[in-house]
Amino acid sequence: SQQGEEDPQALSIQEGENATMNCSYKTSINNLQWYRQNSGRGLVHLILIRSNEREKHSGRLRVTLDTSKKSSSLLITASRAADTASYFCATDAYGNNRLAFGKGNQVVVIP
Amino acid sequence: DTGVSQDPRHKITKRGQNVTFRCDPISEHNRLYWYRQTLGQGPEFLTYFQNEAQLEKSRLLSDRFSAERPKGSFSTLEIQRTEQGDSAMYLCASSFETYEQYFGPGTRLTVT
Repeated sequence: SQQGEEDPQALSIQEGENATMNCSYKTSINNLQWYRQNSGRGLVHLILIRSNEREKHSGRLRVTLDTSKKSSSLLITASRAADTASYFCATDAYGNNRLAFGKGNQVVVIP
Repeated sequence: DTGVSQDPRHKITKRGQNVTFRCDPISEHNRLYWYRQTLGQGPEFLTYFQNEAQLEKSRLLSDRFSAERPKGSFSTLEIQRTEQGDSAMYLCASSFETYEQYFGPGTRLTVT
C-alpha cells in the first residue's frame, strides 16, 4: 500500500510562479525523500530530509517536514517549463532505503 | 558512470507465459531494488538486494515472482505464468549503501 499521499494531485501554473505540493504519511519515518518523474529522464531523486530536520533547501527546492503532523511539503520557486513532471514523496521508515512512495503530484508549468 | 540500464524496455506477452527482465546497476553500487509502477500510481517496492543477498521481499511479490542477483552484479526478475494484472512498468534502482537511489528507465510489461 502507498505510504505517502500527495495533495493536490494536479497543478497547473505559469512559468515563474511557485509550486507547492504536500505529502502526508501514516507511520513513523527515518527520512522522507522527494522524486521527480518525467518521460525524458525517468525517476530522479531530488532531496532527502531526515526525521530530525524541519526544513531543507536545494537550489530552487525547499522541503519542510512536520513529524507531529506526519506531513511534508515541497516548494519549487520560480518554476520553469522543464519542471513539468510528476513529483512523488517517498518515506523510509527504518533508514534502510526501502521506500514507500505516494501517488504523486502532476505539475504542468506553462511557458 | 553509464547509469542504471534495464532490458528489455518493452515486453508484450500472452497470459500464462514466463518473462524475465534484466537490470544492470551502477557498477560501484552494492544495493539493488525492484519496484512496480502502474498508471497514475507511485512505484511500489517489490524486493531489494545488498550485494547478492536478497534482504526483503514485499508481500506483493507472489510465488510467481523471483529475483536473483548472482555475484552481486546484475539482477533478473522473473515472472512465471503471467496474468493481466502483472501489466505494469517494472523499475530497477541501485544505490551505494543507503544513499540516494538511481533509477533505470524501466521495463514496460503488457500481458494480453
